[in-house]
Amino acid sequence: SAVISQKPSRDICQRGTSLTIQCQVDSQVTMMFWYRQQPGQSLTLIATANQGSEATYESGFVIDKFPISRPNLTFSTLTVSNMSPEDSSIYLCSVEWGRNEQYFGPGTRLTVT
Amino acid sequence: AQKITQTQPGMFVQEKEAVTLDCTYDTSDPSYGLFWYKQPSSGEMIFLIYQGSYDQQNATEGRYSLNFQKARKSANLVISASQLGDSAMYFCAMKTGRRALTFGSGTRLQVQP
Repeated sequence: SAVISQKPSRDICQRGTSLTIQCQVDSQVTMMFWYRQQPGQSLTLIATANQGSEATYESGFVIDKFPISRPNLTFSTLTVSNMSPEDSSIYLCSVEWGRNEQYFGPGTRLTVT
Repeated sequence: AQKITQTQPGMFVQEKEAVTLDCTYDTSDPSYGLFWYKQPSSGEMIFLIYQGSYDQQNATEGRYSLNFQKARKSANLVISASQLGDSAMYFCAMKTGRRALTFGSGTRLQVQP
């Protein structure tokens, strides 16, 4: 299985600021995904990040608000820009591992005040 | 479009008893995978079990088994011999060609002593 770490684990940020979340995997992976989980809700895909190409965003998510980098096969970042209280969520990265496994990082719990 | 439906917002089960968590899905893709995840209050997503659409037998992993009924488009999770540590949110998810996961709304399971 893949071991995934995320930084920071949690943060409290002020409205209008930005936060960059890091996702590190202990093995090289092709596909990485970023999800958002709003309080009391299920997980929603923000974007798919492949190394060497632009991230592919889901409907309702735009690059200006959630820029993503994928500089190599073990690392990715998600930035939450110009934050508002509605951005308070858990942000999770995940990786595809073979045909039938997908693993998640421990998540970043963001509170925007 | 893919859709996952979990109709049980909450479930109670007595310790040591078995419990079934319901999941139905909808997709036009003939090739897909079905996943179950456990999310304790810490927020991490723990992969439990996987079933592929072409798998002939129901998947099992320790106390977890997946009751896969393809014609009914259902993929229910069965937890045998419930333990107090099983109390958590449980999410059913599906992967199709695009490789990211689509999640259901989740079921909160509470195991009572």
